[in-house]
Amino acid sequence: EDKVVQSPLSLVVHEGDTVTLNCSYEVTNFRSLLWYKQEKKAPTFLFMLTSSGIEKKSGRLSSILDKKELFSILNITATQTGDSAIYLCAVDPRQGGSEKLVFGKGTKLTVNP
Amino acid sequence: KAGVTQTPRYLIKTRGQQVTLSCSPISGHRSVSWYQQTPGQGLQFLFEYFSETQRNKGNFPGRFSGRQFSNSRSEMNVSTLELGDSALYLCASSVGGLSYEQYFGPGTRLTVT
Repeated sequence: EDKVVQSPLSLVVHEGDTVTLNCSYEVTNFRSLLWYKQEKKAPTFLFMLTSSGIEKKSGRLSSILDKKELFSILNITATQTGDSAIYLCAVDPRQGGSEKLVFGKGTKLTVNP
Repeated sequence: KAGVTQTPRYLIKTRGQQVTLSCSPISGHRSVSWYQQTPGQGLQFLFEYFSETQRNKGNFPGRFSGRQFSNSRSEMNVSTLELGDSALYLCASSVGGLSYEQYFGPGTRLTVT
């Protein structure tokens, strides 16, 4: 069964701290890994990763994928209160020509002033 | 560009009833995906429609069905509602499918009593 596990489940930090969120996966045929940020309702897309070792960066956020060890990390530097959200990791395990997204349970990040 | 819209935003139904949720994708997006989000299970993929065809399906019972119209608008139907169907139902649209950047709507909060 395809599985995505995120850790930690929750994290409380102070503004200015750097955080690392983890996502490990077990899927039959890996196609891509995606990170989303969910604040109130709608998740918003952060990154899509398909190749190992290539860092994707957007401002203070960055992410990298390790297809050999089957995990990805999401780094947030100089955290701000606006980074408080649930961060979701999802994997697209393409099977027999069809796709589906398998999500982890998310990491709830709280950034205190 | 207008974002993804979902109607209604909130819904209360009783067990045994059926419900239809609606999703209007971003203009030009042909792929619409549906997800169920609950505190216990997290975000789970229901199905994806592309050009009026169901292209991908998650592991949900046949009570959950959907369709897509020629203007890419999509509806999701749940028949014979159960208490466990209480959840936030999110739809997302993209240009090409699950491994493309998906834009989520605000969701429909369904409560089954």
